[in-house]
Amino acid sequence: EDKVVQSPLSLVVHEGDTVTLNCSYEVTNFRSLLWYKQEKKAPTFLFMLTSSGIEKKSGRLSSILDKKELFSILNITATQTGDSAVYLCAVELYNTGFQKLVFGTGTRLLVSP
Amino acid sequence: DTEVTQTPKHLVMGMTNKKSLKCEQHMGHRAMYWYKQKAKKPPELMFVYSYEKLSINESVPSRFSPECPNSSLLNLHLHALQPEDSALYLCASSQERGLNQPQHFGDGTRLSIL
Repeated sequence: EDKVVQSPLSLVVHEGDTVTLNCSYEVTNFRSLLWYKQEKKAPTFLFMLTSSGIEKKSGRLSSILDKKELFSILNITATQTGDSAVYLCAVELYNTGFQKLVFGTGTRLLVSP
Repeated sequence: DTEVTQTPKHLVMGMTNKKSLKCEQHMGHRAMYWYKQKAKKPPELMFVYSYEKLSINESVPSRFSPECPNSSLLNLHLHALQPEDSALYLCASSQERGLNQPQHFGDGTRLSIL
């Protein structure tokens, strides 16, 4: 059975802290790993990772994939209250014509002022 | 605002009602998806349409009936739902495989079954 596990399940930090969110996976036919941020509504896309060891950055957020050890991390530096959200990791399974995503349970991040 | 538009945003219905959820995208995506998300849980895939054909039905009960009238529209017809079907229903779309593009999600329809 395809499985994606995120840790920690929830996290409370102070503004300005740096956080690291973890995602490990055991799937057949891995194609890519995606990170999404979900506040109250639509998950919004953060990163898509297909190659090991190549860091992707967007402002204060960065992510990297290790396909040998089957995990990814999402780092957020200098956290702000607007970073409070659920961060979802999803693994895309190889398929034709569409993306089949297997989601982890998410990490709920709360950044306090 | 997202590029995937879902209507209505909220829906309250009784167990004997028939209603439909609608999803629209104009990004030229040829794959569209329905997900169900319960509180504090990740999205669960229900259906996938690829080039307007149903490609995946994740053993969803027949009281949920999807329809893809054209490449921009995806509907979910609801009939005789149960209270446990109350959830956020998310629509998403993506490019064809091979282009390394993510799925884009709509804001969802929050459904409550009385």
